[in-house]
Amino acid sequence: DIVMTQSPDSLAVSLGERATINCKSSQNILYSSNNKNYFAWYQQKPGQPPKLLFYWASTRESGVPDRFTGSGSGTDFTLTISSLQAEDVAVYYCQQYYDTPYTFGQGTKLEIK
Amino acid sequence: EGQLVESGGGLVEPGGSLRLSCAGSGFDFTNAWMNWVRQAPGKGLEWVGRIKTNSDGGTIDYAAPVKGRFTMSRDDSKNTLYLQMNSLRSEDTALYYCSSLKIGVGATEFRGQGTLVTVSS
Repeated sequence: DIVMTQSPDSLAVSLGERATINCKSSQNILYSSNNKNYFAWYQQKPGQPPKLLFYWASTRESGVPDRFTGSGSGTDFTLTISSLQAEDVAVYYCQQYYDTPYTFGQGTKLEIK
Repeated sequence: EGQLVESGGGLVEPGGSLRLSCAGSGFDFTNAWMNWVRQAPGKGLEWVGRIKTNSDGGTIDYAAPVKGRFTMSRDDSKNTLYLQMNSLRSEDTALYYCSSLKIGVGATEFRGQGTLVTVSS
């Protein structure tokens, strides 16, 4: 199975500052035939279902603010929030959909400092 | 946008069975691969299983912890996904989300609020 490891487990950032969350996969999830990373980011706010933020590692889902950026390739991926807003408080998960089981990272809890 | 409505959750004793249903509307259910993802109380997300479309062969894959105990199925005439859960254990206690895989992509789109399954005596 592909293991997804996020860092850090929790993060406290001041409003307006940059937040960075990392995710590392135990094997390459870049499919060579189409040059796409089978990788997604999700945001889960308290009491809500998760919400898809990015797919193909860096393609922003419709409606996601452009202060969110997804980057990376192969085995190392990053979610960046350029200027943290109060509504960004949530748990963020990464996931690979390269092969079943479609494993998730353990989650990163983002809070306001 | 589309939505999914899960139902069938509840309290069941260890060793018991439960059948979850998930009704889809407002999107192309027939041509969507579908997932179940669960979340134990206060814990992270765990992928349970995926079923492909019938046109893609209807292949089903399961996570190791549920393989042999859980069975996914779909009825495209009713736009409904099912999860038959047998030999339930306390560690199966979770909020179960039915979700679609983004067509042409494979990332998960969570369109419902989930249904809670509690396994306890």
